[in-house]
This record gives sequence, structure tokens and C-alpha cells, in this order.
Amino acid sequence: DVKVTQSSRYLVKRTGEKVFLECVQDMDHENMFWYRQDPGLGLRLIYFSYDVKMKEKGDIPEGYSVSREKKERFSLILESASTNQTSMYLCASTLGGGGTDTQYFGPGTRLTVL
Amino acid sequence: TQLLEQSPQFLSIQEGENLTVYCNSSSVFSSLQWYRQEPGEGPVLLVTVVTGGEVKKLKRLTFQFGDARKDSSLHITAAQPGDTGLYLCAGALYNFNKFYFGSGTKLNVKP
Repeated sequence: DVKVTQSSRYLVKRTGEKVFLECVQDMDHENMFWYRQDPGLGLRLIYFSYDVKMKEKGDIPEGYSVSREKKERFSLILESASTNQTSMYLCASTLGGGGTDTQYFGPGTRLTVL
Repeated sequence: TQLLEQSPQFLSIQEGENLTVYCNSSSVFSSLQWYRQEPGEGPVLLVTVVTGGEVKKLKRLTFQFGDARKDSSLHITAAQPGDTGLYLCAGALYNFNKFYFGSGTKLNVKP
């Protein structure tokens, strides 16, 4: 079974701090995604990556950056955390690049910015 | 404005009742997926539909993709407390590079 793990389940940070969220998948998937989930808004795509060192902006990239130095690891960085970035962050991976691919999600990181 | 509109947003029913969740758009999708998310977990894929008019059944769950590929529905027969969760639809456009998610339907099935 595919396993996607995220570094923390819960995280509390202060405004202005730099925050790193880590995601690791163990099935040699090509594609990885970072979403944020807020009540009533579903999942919104922040960034995605189709290959090592490649990244593309999603729908809400402002205030975030990403890094993919190794195929199995995709990191989300909040350069200077703000209270409006308090949210649930979900990482996902897919084997290929097609629209019928299954997205495998991690359990999520609930981030609170004070 | 989201590309995929889901309704209803909340649904609270008694065990044994039937229900339908809708996922609508003005855009044409090449495929559409349904996920279920339980508290504290990430979404898990239930089904992918790819052909207009397609109907797929998964035990008590029936998924339909509209003929025009702009909408989809999820019907649950004789709901059980174990069906409780957040149901999300996700679509891929023909020029695929990412998935678009609906806002979700939070289902609570009371014993």
C-alpha cells in the first residue's frame, strides 16, 4: 500500500516564524501536491511538482514556497507565517500525470498561527 | 467561485435513510473522482468515473457521471453510521495538470 506521511499532525507557530511542513511518500510516485483545507472551501491547491526540482503554482501560492530535492520528499515552506495561514494542510501524491490517477493523501497537519 | 459546486453542504440523517449528494459545474471534465474523508485523516478515493452517463456501484454507494460530463452524483442506499464523513468530488479537465475539488458534503448518519 502507498503510504504518505507528514512530519507533524499538529503544529503551533507564532506570526512571522518560518514554518516547514514535510511530506514523504514511499511508492516512487512522480507527482506530489500540497493543499490547504478550510471549512466550506474544500481543498485548494497551493503548489504541485511533477519531478524532482520542478514545481508549479496552484491556485493559492501566495505566502508559500516549496522544495523537492528528492523524488520521495516534498516540502511546503511558509516564509513568514500569518494568522490567515491557520489551516489543515494536506499532502498528496499520484503515480503518473493523468486525471484518472488516484491521489494518495497524508493524514494532514493542522497548523495554528498565533 | 469554485469550478465544482457540491450540495448539500451538510446532511444529517437517520440510519437506514437514502441520500444523494450532487457535484455540478459549467465546465466539461474528462474524469471525476469521489473521495471520503474521516476526521483526522486524509481523503480516500472511492471511485473514478470517466465516461459520460457512466454508473458505478460500490456496495450501497452508486456513482453517476452526467451525460454531458459536467455533473456527478453519489447516492447512498440505507445509510449506516459508518458512512459518516466528508464527501468530496474532484474533477480533471481535458488539459489536465491538476485536480479541482468541490467544497465537500459533511454527512452525519445517526444510529
